[in-house]
Amino acid sequence: QKEVEQDPGPLSVPEGAIVSLNCTYSNSAFQYFMWYRQYSRKGPELLMYTYSSGNKEDGRFTAQVDKSSKYISLFIRDSQPSDSATYLCAMSDNYGQNFVFGPGTRLSVLP
Amino acid sequence: EAGVAQSPRYKIIEKRQSVAFWCNPISGHATLYWYQQILGQGPKLLIQFQNNGVVDDSQLPKDRFSAERLKGVDSTLKIQPAKLEDSAVYLCASSSGPLGNTIYFGEGSWLTVV
Repeated sequence: QKEVEQDPGPLSVPEGAIVSLNCTYSNSAFQYFMWYRQYSRKGPELLMYTYSSGNKEDGRFTAQVDKSSKYISLFIRDSQPSDSATYLCAMSDNYGQNFVFGPGTRLSVLP
Repeated sequence: EAGVAQSPRYKIIEKRQSVAFWCNPISGHATLYWYQQILGQGPKLLIQFQNNGVVDDSQLPKDRFSAERLKGVDSTLKIQPAKLEDSAVYLCASSSGPLGNTIYFGEGSWLTVV
């Protein structure tokens, strides 16, 4: 079993749809959970991060962490064509060590 | 604030040749990372520096890869000799702290080995 798993997609949705992106993980030591967005031929950029379990909202983006299930999600409301990118989840332990990325989900939002 | 700078952006070399990538982190960032991202995969950490000391190089193929960070600022990553499976994007990142929520990436150096 890989340490972090993520559905690679591609995921295609119409503009305005609600998008749900998910990751599962196996290491119970992970405490920090991040979502990065990576446009084609660009480096990843940090979208959101959360500590431990719970929800965090930022504009159209909501991150959820369920540590009991070892499952994290990113929701995108009112998706736009500009949201078309690869979304990478990442996580680390309490000390910033063992920082691991998921393989990424490629999202296409169709106008 | 200037971001993480990397060069060259694109490089094509033949197998068994050597290549070097350069990175200039965000000013004041003590931590510098080199990641390898193969197409369709997430970035994999190759080496992490704290100032000019190595924190983690457990996944660096030391028989062919080397990295240094002179004076705790710029860094170079070298591959010699290159193999076909080294074709990937090499991402440099820097951080102002030890936690993942402070990591900023450059745009990457795209290597094709033929």
